[in-house]
Amino acid sequence: SQTIHQWPATLVQPVGSPLSLECTVEGTSNPNLYWYRQAAGRGLQLLFYSVGIGQISSEVPQNLSASRPQDRQFILSSKKLLLSDSGFYLCAWSFSAASGEQFFGPGTRLTVL
Amino acid sequence: AQSVTQLGSHVSVSEGALVLLRCNYSSSVPPYLFWYVQYPNQGLQLLLKYTTGATLVKGINGFEAEFKKSETSFHLTKPSAHMSDAAEYFCAVRSSATDSWGKLQFGAGTQVVVTP
Repeated sequence: SQTIHQWPATLVQPVGSPLSLECTVEGTSNPNLYWYRQAAGRGLQLLFYSVGIGQISSEVPQNLSASRPQDRQFILSSKKLLLSDSGFYLCAWSFSAASGEQFFGPGTRLTVL
Repeated sequence: AQSVTQLGSHVSVSEGALVLLRCNYSSSVPPYLFWYVQYPNQGLQLLLKYTTGATLVKGINGFEAEFKKSETSFHLTKPSAHMSDAAEYFCAVRSSATDSWGKLQFGAGTQVVVTP
């Protein structure tokens, strides 16, 4: 069976500090991968998606970047965090574009102070 | 472009009563439709999905949803609410049947509160 991991689970960072959130998927190969953000009281915002190693698409311009150094690893980064980067970050994967459904990780709660 | 509208950001139901969460979508092509549930500080869990075939789909935890093309709706129901159903629920639509990225468009979510 497939599992998805995210770490850390929670993170408190000062404004201006760097960020690295990691997501890994086990039990499948060549998944589509997605990063979402949930701000307080708001829905899900798609940040990045990837269909393969080194293939990253950004949904909205922002202070964040993403990388996929390995087939089942997806990293969300920032060089300098802003207060507005606070939120709940969710990684998701899907088998392929045809199936449509996405499977979500447990999330990372990021607080920028 | 696809879009999803969930009617009601908050719904309060009594334990044992019917749960009805409304979802309407817009799509220029046959959609794939999904309902997810999110418990506090957790990721989203797939409740059920509609792709093709039978328009009434059953999911986990006693939930079901009916795809009505003429009404562009995919409402979620459960006959009898349980305290454990208190959570946030998201409706989602596949961006396009031909979208190779598999992106989903999510509704804003409906928070369900279950009262004793």
